[in-house]
Amino acid sequence: EIVLTQSPGILSLSPGERATFSCRASQSLSSSYLAWFQQKPGQAPRLLIYATSSRATGIPDRFSGSGSGTDFTLTISRLEPEDFAVYYCQQYDSSWYTFGQGTKLEIK
Amino acid sequence: QLQLQESGPGLVKPSETLSLTCTVSGGSIDSSNYYWGWIRQPPGKGLEWIGSIFHNGNTNYNPSLKSRVTISVDTSRNKFSLKLTSVTAADTAVYYCARKVAADIWGQGAMVTVSS
Repeated sequence: EIVLTQSPGILSLSPGERATFSCRASQSLSSSYLAWFQQKPGQAPRLLIYATSSRATGIPDRFSGSGSGTDFTLTISRLEPEDFAVYYCQQYDSSWYTFGQGTKLEIK
Repeated sequence: QLQLQESGPGLVKPSETLSLTCTVSGGSIDSSNYYWGWIRQPPGKGLEWIGSIFHNGNTNYNPSLKSRVTISVDTSRNKFSLKLTSVTAADTAVYYCARKVAADIWGQGAMVTVSS
């Protein structure tokens, strides 16, 4: 099982600021099959990024993903009010797909 | 526009079998080279992948649940289903169906409570 550890647990920022989320894998993702999701209360998750850095359909370009090996990052360049939510990473590099525990982005 | 909708009982007794169906509309399961999967989320907790199925019936299950899980597909009815046997309170969760391994389309979710 590949364990994904997300940090920080909570991120407190203001609209207009830059947000950086970290996702660290317990083993190297050889194919960089890592995705990022956003989830708001009472809603299903929404795919933001797949294959480390490809934006999903309709996702604004203020969202970007990067990384390789065991260290991956989601960046929101300039926070909008609607961006405050919980963010999850997911690896599908191995046949046992796993999620990180999530990072909550809250308004400072 | 492709949509997914979960359906099934919202309450299941301990030791019984949880059964959910995901109906796909706006597109055909059979014509797509995608995996279709199930993911769950206990109240207030994170996401857990349960398993996935290809349109030809090939499956891939979470090893921690594999002994209790069966996912099947009915291409004629454009549906796929989840069965989870011997449930306990730990299986109480919102269950989502989704398209693709990096799920780009999700159902709205179905809350299933395991309780006597």
